[in-house]
Amino acid sequence: QKEVEQDPGPLSVPEGAIVSLNCTYSNSAFQYFMWYRQYSRKGPELLMYTYSSGNKEDGRFTAQVDKSSKYISLFIRDSQPSDSATYLCAMTQDTNAGKSTFGDGTTLTVKP
Amino acid sequence: SAVISQKPSRDICQRGTSLTIQCQVDSQVTMMFWYRQQPGQSLTLIATANQGSEATYESGFVIDKFPISRPNLTFSTLTVSNMSPEDSSIYLCSYRDRSTSIQHFGDGTRLSIL
Repeated sequence: QKEVEQDPGPLSVPEGAIVSLNCTYSNSAFQYFMWYRQYSRKGPELLMYTYSSGNKEDGRFTAQVDKSSKYISLFIRDSQPSDSATYLCAMTQDTNAGKSTFGDGTTLTVKP
Repeated sequence: SAVISQKPSRDICQRGTSLTIQCQVDSQVTMMFWYRQQPGQSLTLIATANQGSEATYESGFVIDKFPISRPNLTFSTLTVSNMSPEDSSIYLCSYRDRSTSIQHFGDGTRLSIL
């Protein structure tokens, strides 16, 4: 079983829809939770970053972490065609830990 | 965050040859990573490159095939040796921001082997 499981997708939604992207994990030591967005032919870029449980909002994007359920989500409101990309969740233990553990990614297409 | 750049951005190589990919960060970082990503697939970690010590390789990856150098805190190279068509992939360099634990990525090197 993988440490991080991400809803596989692909996901196709109409413009303006609310999108929910989700990951579950098994390692209770994870404390830092990230969402990356990767456009075609580009490297992953950090989209949202959350420490421990709770919500964080940035414009149309909301990251939610529920450590008790070992579940994280990224919500995109009023989705736009420019949001079409692959979204990767990632998590790590603490500032002295090594690599982050990544989900496999969910490819989102927002249709105009 | 520091700016990270890779070169070449893409290359087409002949079977049996080797290619060295360079990764430059514009500030000093402790941990750097090399990943492989097949088109449409997830990230696969090849190795962690720490300055002043040998790289740590993940299961399935060996130093003879993917030698890594880390001569200082801003630079690393990955060599893909004796290439075969199975090595066709995107190779990504990453560094870890020690204060935030966030990893940042370059745009990758798209490698095709004929």
